[in-house]
Amino acid sequence: GENVEQHPSTLSVQEGDSAVIKCTYSDSASNYFPWYKQELGKRPQLIIDIRSNVGEKKDQRIAVTLNKTAKHFSLHITETQPEDSAVYFCAASYTGRRALTFGSGTRLQVQP
Amino acid sequence: EADIYQTPRYLVIGTGKKITLECSQTMGHDKMYWYQQDPGMELHLIHYSYGVNSTEKGDLSSESTVSRIRTEHFPLTLESARPSHTSQYLCASSEGGGVYEQFFGPGTRLTVL
Repeated sequence: GENVEQHPSTLSVQEGDSAVIKCTYSDSASNYFPWYKQELGKRPQLIIDIRSNVGEKKDQRIAVTLNKTAKHFSLHITETQPEDSAVYFCAASYTGRRALTFGSGTRLQVQP
Repeated sequence: EADIYQTPRYLVIGTGKKITLECSQTMGHDKMYWYQQDPGMELHLIHYSYGVNSTEKGDLSSESTVSRIRTEHFPLTLESARPSHTSQYLCASSEGGGVYEQFFGPGTRLTVL
């Protein structure tokens, strides 16, 4: 089955700096890669996703890149703000698979 | 407003009790899921359902059971709660027919004494 590895497990940056979180996946059939943000005490919420027919997607300060050959994808957050502090989860799946396979999460701390 | 609802939000019970965690969605989604998550930690899939009368076990071994009699309702039952069941339980749903975003409920935080 699918295995998703996520690094780093914790990340601390200064406000205004960029943050990068990386994930690798094992199943070459995977074609959908979402990223979720979970604030303390809240439910996970989708912040951006990408499908395998594109290599990069941006939404304001966040972007996701996908390298299908290397089977890895990354989340980039620019100009970080304290409200970006949260746990971020990557995931992978493909049509017909039962559910998303999640990475183990990255705790991002943005220092003011 | 379309959403996923979970009740109760918090539950403290004694060992050996039978409990049911409720999950309902007004999203019109076919697929529903249950995850177990210690706060801020990894999400573990324990059950999922493709539709009415369809239920499967997930990756994490669980002593819980689920049912899907109505599209919008996906309750999880623990026949005999133990301290090891102490955790947060998140319900989620997604559209069928492909692979799409999963929407999560607010969660039930369970403590078994």
